[in-house]
Amino acid sequence: GGIITQTPKFLIGQEGQKLTLKCQQNFNHDTMYWYRQDSGKGLRLIYYSITENDLQKGDLSEGYDASREKKSSFSLTVTSAQKNEMAVFLCASSTPPSNTGQLYFGEGSKLTVL
Amino acid sequence: GDSVTQTEGLVTVTEGLPVKLNCTYQTTYLTIAFFWYVQYLNEAPQVLLRSSTDNKRTEHQGFHATLHKSSSSFHLQKSSAQLSDSALYYCALSVNTGANTGKLTFGHGTILRVHP
Repeated sequence: GGIITQTPKFLIGQEGQKLTLKCQQNFNHDTMYWYRQDSGKGLRLIYYSITENDLQKGDLSEGYDASREKKSSFSLTVTSAQKNEMAVFLCASSTPPSNTGQLYFGEGSKLTVL
Repeated sequence: GDSVTQTEGLVTVTEGLPVKLNCTYQTTYLTIAFFWYVQYLNEAPQVLLRSSTDNKRTEHQGFHATLHKSSSSFHLQKSSAQLSDSALYYCALSVNTGANTGKLTFGHGTILRVHP
């Protein structure tokens, strides 16, 4: 089996601050994802990457940047944190659709902006 | 674009009674698969069921679901709910966007609370 590791688990920032979340996977999956989880809104896709150095925008990419420097890691940057924002960010990787297309998730990074 | 609609908000059921969480979808893609993910408190979402075959029942951990393309549905059911089933459940649609790359669209999630 494999694991998705997200760091940090908890992040507290100030309004306007640039904040970066990191994700590592050892599944050797090609595709990685960043989702934002909000109560009542489900999981919304921010960015995904189908291979090293590739980036694809999801439905919620505004206000975020992402970086896929190598196959095993995928970073997400909140470019300017919004006051009183609270959210959980989930990283995932997947097998290709020709296999199962299943996503494997990390435990999440919880962001609080003061 | 693709969309997934599932039972809104909170579903409460008594232990031992049946439970059903609804899921319907819209997509223009032909190559598709469906998932139910479950997220227990303070844990990562994990796959509960997967199906890509029309009218075939899929089962796992006492839960079952059948993909019905004629009605665009993939409802989740269990005949006897357990306290340990209390969790957040997501229905998700996976499409092949080309180059063998998938993209999942999730519903808003349904909280299932099973009480004694």
